[in-house]
Amino acid sequence: AQSVTQLDSQVPVFEEAPVELRCNYSSSVSVYLFWYVQYPNQGLQLLLKYLSGSTLVKGINGFEAEFNKSQTSFHLRKPSVHISDTAEYFCAVSVTGYSTLTFGKGTMLLVSP
Amino acid sequence: DTGVSQDPRHKITKRGQNVTFRCDPISEHNRLYWYRQTLGQGPEFLTYFQNEAQLEKSRLLSDRFSAERPKGSFSTLEIQRTEQGDSAMYLCASSRGSGSETQYFGPGTRLLVL
Repeated sequence: AQSVTQLDSQVPVFEEAPVELRCNYSSSVSVYLFWYVQYPNQGLQLLLKYLSGSTLVKGINGFEAEFNKSQTSFHLRKPSVHISDTAEYFCAVSVTGYSTLTFGKGTMLLVSP
Repeated sequence: DTGVSQDPRHKITKRGQNVTFRCDPISEHNRLYWYRQTLGQGPEFLTYFQNEAQLEKSRLLSDRFSAERPKGSFSTLEIQRTEQGDSAMYLCASSRGSGSETQYFGPGTRLLVL
């Protein structure tokens, strides 16, 4: 079975600073990797996904993530955050050929002025 | 694309009562998923359908839970004899097909069992 670990439950950061949200996964088979964002009282929205190919994936709102197979990581980065990026971020994995997503516990990104 | 909708958005019920939630997926999506999210946790998979066929159920889905997608369009999730531990956000998602396809999530139904 696969699992996802998000190492930080909360990440406080000042506006315009860079941020990295960490995600590690465990799986004995090849996987697809996803980052979702959840704003208060809203559903989850896909930020980006890695299926294959280039290990650097660019997503919406200026976010990007890098797949590192040797370290089984898929960290999310943004060079300069905005107040509006305040939200909870979830890393998720699915086994290739299967549909169900396994999520991490989430990281709350708190951006202050 | 009107997105995934869920109804109701909030439900308060007393322990022992039955509740039913509805999910309307994006119209051309043939896969529909149910997840449950408790406070401080990520969503956990419950079950999914391809068209009207229920293809997988999590061991989290006890006998008190049942899901249907009778015509391959909307889906319902029923919880019988609710327990306080059922209090959670119930999320529905839909996708076009295989695991590489993006799952689009609805806003969720928040259930509180008193």
